[in-house]
Amino acid sequence: GAVVSQHPSRVICKSGTSVKIECRSLDFQATTMFWYRQFPKQSLMLMATSNEGSKATYEQGVEKDKFLINHASLTLSTLTVTSAHPEDSSFYICSAVTALENEQYFGPGTRLTVT
Amino acid sequence: GQQLNQSPQSMFIQEGEDVSMNCTSSSIFNTWLWYKQDPGEGPVLLIALYKAGELTSNGRLTAQFGITRKDSFLNISASIPSDVGIYFCAGRSIKAAGNKLTFGGGTRVLVKP
Repeated sequence: GAVVSQHPSRVICKSGTSVKIECRSLDFQATTMFWYRQFPKQSLMLMATSNEGSKATYEQGVEKDKFLINHASLTLSTLTVTSAHPEDSSFYICSAVTALENEQYFGPGTRLTVT
Repeated sequence: GQQLNQSPQSMFIQEGEDVSMNCTSSSIFNTWLWYKQDPGEGPVLLIALYKAGELTSNGRLTAQFGITRKDSFLNISASIPSDVGIYFCAGRSIKAAGNKLTFGGGTRVLVKP
C-alpha cells in the first residue's frame, strides 16, 4: 500500500514553455500532498503544501504564479512550472499523506531539464 | 528553510560493517522519520518514531528517538552493497503546521573501493 506515482519521470522543455507534472496516490486517498524540489547532492526543499479543494500554501520564496498547483481530487495533484527557465531545472518530488498512518509517502520524482 | 543537522555527510562502508548516522535539532520534535533515497528515485520511508526513547527496528535497521526529543540515530547492521544510497532524517516539530516535515542534509553511504 501507500504507492505514489509521478508523471512524467523525465521531461525536457525549451525555455519559456510550461510543463505540468502529475502526482497520484494509487491506492489511497490523500487530502494533503506536498511538492519538493531537490538539487544535485542536496536535501529536499519544500515548495508548497497542496490541499484538496483549496488553494495551495507556498513556502517563503516560492513564486505561486510560477509554480501553479492544483489538487483537483483526493488522488491527484498537479504542479505546473510556467515560463520555465534553465534555473528551474531540478528534480521535483511529490509526497502524499495517508490518513491511516499520517505519514508522507514519496513519488519517484520528475527530472525537469529546461534548455 | 530550516534543516536538521545530520552527520556524517558521507561515509564509506565495507560489506559486513555496522554503520551509524544521527540527526540533531535545536527544537523539540514529536516525530522522527528515516528515509532512504536511491539515485533518481524518491525517498522511501524506513522507520517512523513517535515517542521519546522509542527504539524501533526494521530488519537490519534500528533507529531511536532521543530522550531529549531533539535527536535521533539510525544504525545499519552487517551492511550489504544495496545499503548504498542517501539516508535522510526528517522531523515533525510540535509547532509544524499540518504534516510538514523538516529534513536533514542527508548522509551519503558509499562502498569502499
